[in-house]
Amino acid sequence: DAGVIQSPRHEVTEMGQEVTLRCKPISGHNSLFWYRQTMMRGLELLIYFNNNVPIDDSGMPEDRFSAKMPNASFSTLKIQPSEPRDSAVYFCASNLRAGNQPQHFGDGTRLSIL
Amino acid sequence: DQQVKQNSPSLSVQEGRISILNCDYTNSMFDYFLWYKKYPAEGPTFLISISSIKDKNEDGRFTVFLNKSAKHLSLHIVPSQPGDSAVYFCAALAQGGSEKLVFGKGTKLTVNP
Repeated sequence: DAGVIQSPRHEVTEMGQEVTLRCKPISGHNSLFWYRQTMMRGLELLIYFNNNVPIDDSGMPEDRFSAKMPNASFSTLKIQPSEPRDSAVYFCASNLRAGNQPQHFGDGTRLSIL
Repeated sequence: DQQVKQNSPSLSVQEGRISILNCDYTNSMFDYFLWYKKYPAEGPTFLISISSIKDKNEDGRFTVFLNKSAKHLSLHIVPSQPGDSAVYFCAALAQGGSEKLVFGKGTKLTVNP
């Protein structure tokens, strides 16, 4: 079975550019999560969706970050304009919201903003 | 303020011995706990979980213990194998159906042959 698929795996871009990260959740899962991992703060939840609707975006650092889920099989996380402090590994995860089903993670996008 | 703490950044054990990874939490609203394992350049993978109504959950070589009064949980791996070498994350969910996983910063386990 295909797991959570993220693209690109690596992204290097210059400060000020727009960055779009993509995620395809596991088929049948109805919750999707975006995380950011940094050395300083560890793994932190940015936003999550349930049935394509954003439920909690309290972890989104600032207005430069936005996330969408236009359908059950696709989500994007956008940073515009990007800054060097946005450099991190961004993970997408999904699960079936039924009891305490574990979240399944993609392999992440390593983002470097120069 | 970290709500889930893994105070040991790293741990090294010999193959065949027991590995014990520890995790402390501060939020008394947490009622479900998970351990994830992460290899380099991969995403975290779910390992084992425990509900606050239990004090122990076992799955093969992996056992998680929960001490609610101390707000402490631990993951035991017996026997440890070189393939267990990875970063282990403790995570917690608050009661009330929350889906917001709160992670510790991880412990890097090295199992030496």
